[in-house]
Amino acid sequence: GDSVTQMEGPVTLSEEAFLTINCTYTATGYPSLFWYVQYPGEGLQLLLKATKADDKGSNKGFEATYRKETTSFHLEKGSVQVSDSAVYFCALTFYNNNDMRFGAGTRLTVKP
Amino acid sequence: GAGVSQTPSNKVTEKGKYVELRCDPISGHTALYWYRQSLGQGPEFLIYFQGTGAADDSGLPNDRFFAVRPEGSVSTLKIQRTERGDSAVYLCASSPARGYEQYFGPGTRLTVT
Repeated sequence: GDSVTQMEGPVTLSEEAFLTINCTYTATGYPSLFWYVQYPGEGLQLLLKATKADDKGSNKGFEATYRKETTSFHLEKGSVQVSDSAVYFCALTFYNNNDMRFGAGTRLTVKP
Repeated sequence: GAGVSQTPSNKVTEKGKYVELRCDPISGHTALYWYRQSLGQGPEFLIYFQGTGAADDSGLPNDRFFAVRPEGSVSTLKIQRTERGDSAVYLCASSPARGYEQYFGPGTRLTVT
């Protein structure tokens, strides 16, 4: 079935470092892809999305590009801040799907 | 506008008891979803409503779990004869329609002792 595999954490970076969190998917067809973020003590928030191949989603300095050839949607940020410390989830769905499939999440800690 | 709200935020119950968890979706969102999130895992699908009807309940783990959405807005997830293995964070999400991005509530942390 459709699934998402994320880079295992935890990831610890220093402030202003470059971030990459890998995400690959397995699906029949071309799903919409999402990154959600869960800050400590809060619910999941949509960070960015891409609905078709080669689309780039971006928000708050984060970016991810939908790569059909490699079935990937890696999350990147050029310069992380302490406030980016959170758990990041990659997810997919189809327009006719009844659910969203999530990866296991990657915990990011940014140290000053 | 107001986001998805869930009550209670925390629920502690004894094994064998009945619990109800409530979700109030974003106004106008016809699609509503329940997920369960265990520690260190991503959310796992339980049930999907389109309007008032449960269009897909394939994720409910067994017949102790049931959910309703009688007027197409607020939904209640009901768990009978709770077991310790039911302890998790129960998340509700809504979206304008199926297949769109989903907006999540803060969750209800259920602990069964």
